[in-house]
Amino acid sequence: NAGVTQTPKFQVLKTGQSMTLQCAQDMNHNSMYWYRQDPGMGLRLIYYSASEGTTDKGEVPNGYNVSRLNKREFSLRLESAAPSQTSVYFCASSLGPSNQPQHFGDGTRLSIL
Amino acid sequence: AQSVTQLDSHVSVSEGTPVLLRCNYSSSYSPSLFWYVQHPNKGLQLLLKYTSAATLVKGINGFEAEFKKSETSFHLTKPSAHMSDAAEYFCVVSEERGSWGKLQFGAGTQVVVTP
Repeated sequence: NAGVTQTPKFQVLKTGQSMTLQCAQDMNHNSMYWYRQDPGMGLRLIYYSASEGTTDKGEVPNGYNVSRLNKREFSLRLESAAPSQTSVYFCASSLGPSNQPQHFGDGTRLSIL
Repeated sequence: AQSVTQLDSHVSVSEGTPVLLRCNYSSSYSPSLFWYVQHPNKGLQLLLKYTSAATLVKGINGFEAEFKKSETSFHLTKPSAHMSDAAEYFCVVSEERGSWGKLQFGAGTQVVVTP
């Protein structure tokens, strides 16, 4: 049982390049989330998908787009990467509403030069 | 709106001694509270959760936390630290309504365990 799988694990981009981070879960969860983690700031929510076919902005959505491709997959796209987007990105999933625990992938470490 | 404050950014303990990680929260409604642990280069793993069933919550790996509404606290404890407990710990709050999908994470507490 893989849980939440994120690809790639590491990536280096140049400013202005685009990239899509992939996330898939095999727990039949309805809800999926994208976070970024920066030192001393905990995790901040970028976008979430309450259920298949819906997406909503989180705390820090600017510069990102998402696609809930199906129930299993939720991708995060950077259209024009900026150095401020250097971070560790985590995907998570949960059965449903926010009082349910979230299950996290191992993260994607992204550097923008 | 909810918020969470972890009172210590770093905690150092000796192996075999108790661990205390402090967390205070604010919430407009009845909150759900979680503690997560993150080992180096890994994602977050759920330690335990409080969802109003019982004020003392037991989690994995010998951790437990007590919800104190009067003090708006949810401190995490373990009677005897193990070397494998060295990690970063996050206190997380969510409200039952009004903020669907928007967990609020504390800034984290880095735990160092010395032999």
